[in-house]
Amino acid sequence: NAGVTQTPKFQVLKTGQSMTLQCAQDMNHEYMSWYRQDPGMGLRLIHYSVGAGITDQGEVPNGYNVSRSTTEDFPLRLLSAAPSQTSVYFCASSYGRGSLGETQYFGPGTRLLVL
Amino acid sequence: ELKVEQNPLFLSMQEGKNYTIYCNYSTTSDRLYWYRQDPGKSLESLFVLLSNGAVKQEGRLMASLDTKARLSTLHITAAVHDLSATYFCAVDDFWGGGSEKLVFGKGTKLTVNP
Repeated sequence: NAGVTQTPKFQVLKTGQSMTLQCAQDMNHEYMSWYRQDPGMGLRLIHYSVGAGITDQGEVPNGYNVSRSTTEDFPLRLLSAAPSQTSVYFCASSYGRGSLGETQYFGPGTRLLVL
Repeated sequence: ELKVEQNPLFLSMQEGKNYTIYCNYSTTSDRLYWYRQDPGKSLESLFVLLSNGAVKQEGRLMASLDTKARLSTLHITAAVHDLSATYFCAVDDFWGGGSEKLVFGKGTKLTVNP
């Protein structure tokens, strides 16, 4: 299993550009999430999904869109990039609360720089 | 709103010493996670604590959970350099209406000096 994969690893954008961060998992996990990590802030939840076709907002959803058309993929779209979106983005997946002891598995991250 | 507070945020310790990292959270939760992150890397799961009084140990790390006090501890025994990393606790905000919504602490950057 590849686990959770993310592409690209690194991206530079200009203010106002749009882009999609890709996330895929091959563990048949129902739950998938996107977090951003900023220095001194820990990780903050952007959006999450509890299954194909179902998404919801996290703590910091503004400026981001998600969709979940398949169990495997959970792309994150930046609609109009702003310097405040410069961050490291992590995708995570898990089986969910029904599986006791199950943790979230994190992808390798995407480093985004918005100029 | 669930808030998670870790302390200390920075910890410098000598090899061979013991220390404890604390994780307090503000509202009821029944699930707490500890993760490790090396510089420039992703998060690696260390422990999942599911109930009051839960204690888990792996090598020189031991984690415990007191749901009544809303407190988890990560105890480091006889630290070695390889334990240098940033450690995060995260709490499941299920009772805030969000299944699998994790709220993270800001992390504790641990440096173990020879």
